[in-house]
Amino acid sequence: SQTIHQWPATLVQPVGSPLSLECTVEGTSNPNLYWYRQAAGRGLQLLFYSVGIGQISSEVPQNLSASRPQDRQFILSSKKLLLSDSGFYLCAWSVRDRGLNGYTFGSGTRLTVV
Amino acid sequence: QQQVKQSPQSLIVQKGGISIINCAYENTAFDYFPWYQQFPGKGPALLIAIRPDVSEKKEGRFTISFNKSAKQFSLHIMDSQPGDSATYFCAASKGSQGNLIFGKGTKLSVKP
Repeated sequence: SQTIHQWPATLVQPVGSPLSLECTVEGTSNPNLYWYRQAAGRGLQLLFYSVGIGQISSEVPQNLSASRPQDRQFILSSKKLLLSDSGFYLCAWSVRDRGLNGYTFGSGTRLTVV
Repeated sequence: QQQVKQSPQSLIVQKGGISIINCAYENTAFDYFPWYQQFPGKGPALLIAIRPDVSEKKEGRFTISFNKSAKQFSLHIMDSQPGDSATYFCAASKGSQGNLIFGKGTKLSVKP
C-alpha cells in the first residue's frame, strides 16, 4: 500500500535561519507531488507541485523553493525564514490519472518562526 | 475562474442534526468535486467525491449533492456526531490530472 511520510512534525526556527522539510512517498511510482501551506484558521494554499524529477511548478512567489531529487522525494526549502513563513505545511501525492481518487496528504509539519 | 467559494466559514450543529456545507465554482471545465475532512493537527483526508454526471452521491451519513446548472455542490452530514467535528474542505479540478482548487474550509462543531 502507498504511504506518505513527512518530517519533522513540529519545528521552531528563528527568523533568518534556513529550512528544509522532507516528504517521501512509498508504494507508488511517478507520483504527482504537492506542497501546501495552511495558515492558522485559513485554507490550503498550493505552494509547489511536481510531475517528475527536477520538474517544479511554483504557484506563489515567495522566499520558499522546492526540489525533487528523486522520484518519490519532495523537499521544501528556504534560505532565510521570515515570520510570515509560520504555518502548517502539508505534502501530498496523487497518481497521474486520479479517476475518483484525490490527493493523499501527509500528517504535516507545524513550523513556527520566532 | 479558478475560485471555489465555500460557506459557511464555521458551523455549529447539535448532535443528531444535519450539517450542510455549500460550495460554488465558476469554471465550467471543472469535472471532479471532492470533499476533504481535516482533524486538528492532521492532514486532510478524502471523504467523498463526485463527478458531474450524477446529481447525488451517498456514502454512509455523508452525501454530496451536485447542481451543474447552478455550479454548486454541497456536503450533507446526516445524524451529525461529535466525532464529525473537524474542518471540511471542498475542492474542484479539471479532469483527473488537473490540480485541485480548494475552498477556504468550514469548521464544523457538533455539540453533544
